[in-house]
Amino acid sequence: AQKITQTQPGMFVQEKEAVTLDCTYDTSDPSYGLFWYKQPSSGEMIFLIYQGSYDQQNATEGRYSLNFQKARKSANLVISASQLGDSAMYFCAMMEGGSEKLVFGKGTKLTVNP
Amino acid sequence: EAQVTQNPRYLITVTGKKLTVTCSQNMNHEYMSWYRQDPGLGLRQIYYSMNVEVTDKGDVPEGYKVSRKEKRNFPLILESPSPNQTSLYFCASSFITPGLLTDTQYFGPGTRLTVL
Repeated sequence: AQKITQTQPGMFVQEKEAVTLDCTYDTSDPSYGLFWYKQPSSGEMIFLIYQGSYDQQNATEGRYSLNFQKARKSANLVISASQLGDSAMYFCAMMEGGSEKLVFGKGTKLTVNP
Repeated sequence: EAQVTQNPRYLITVTGKKLTVTCSQNMNHEYMSWYRQDPGLGLRQIYYSMNVEVTDKGDVPEGYKVSRKEKRNFPLILESPSPNQTSLYFCASSFITPGLLTDTQYFGPGTRLTVL
């Protein structure tokens, strides 16, 4: 069963605007972590942000924030003040506690327009 | 500089010719893993290792072998490559911290493999 769902194959945003990339997940384990990675056209995977299932506050890292809604099992990535360099594939991933296995969604391609 | 390195970055080979993709990390991470990325499928785990001499299968292990003789190295071996193993391969590593829910995995730059 697919555990991570990213429903937006592609998204477009104007430079300097905010954008939300959706991610829903499925797990029965109360302990888990959620991750977002960025993959630019050069191909490398860049870690952006992490949210633990017991974290009380939504994670933030600079212009990235994670809108964590536990009851809805969603972990959307919000990028504020988009820049041209934000154009990339974005992957949501989950790891259940103690498993060390990272399960990825299929990704969302973000294009930032000038 | 803390990093995960992979070699080669690009490889074109022919069916049946054994090859090894190396992965090395300098962060003293216990955990290492191999993934393959295919269009429309995201990343899928091939094998992982929790520490030296401890390896286990991921979701798509068929056609691959790994070894973990040293903590820093985790080579991926294709004994008899086939065209369906044409893919982008990533190595990743992380700490395993007791008491911490999960540890962030850091990825190498990727190896683009084409099997003709």
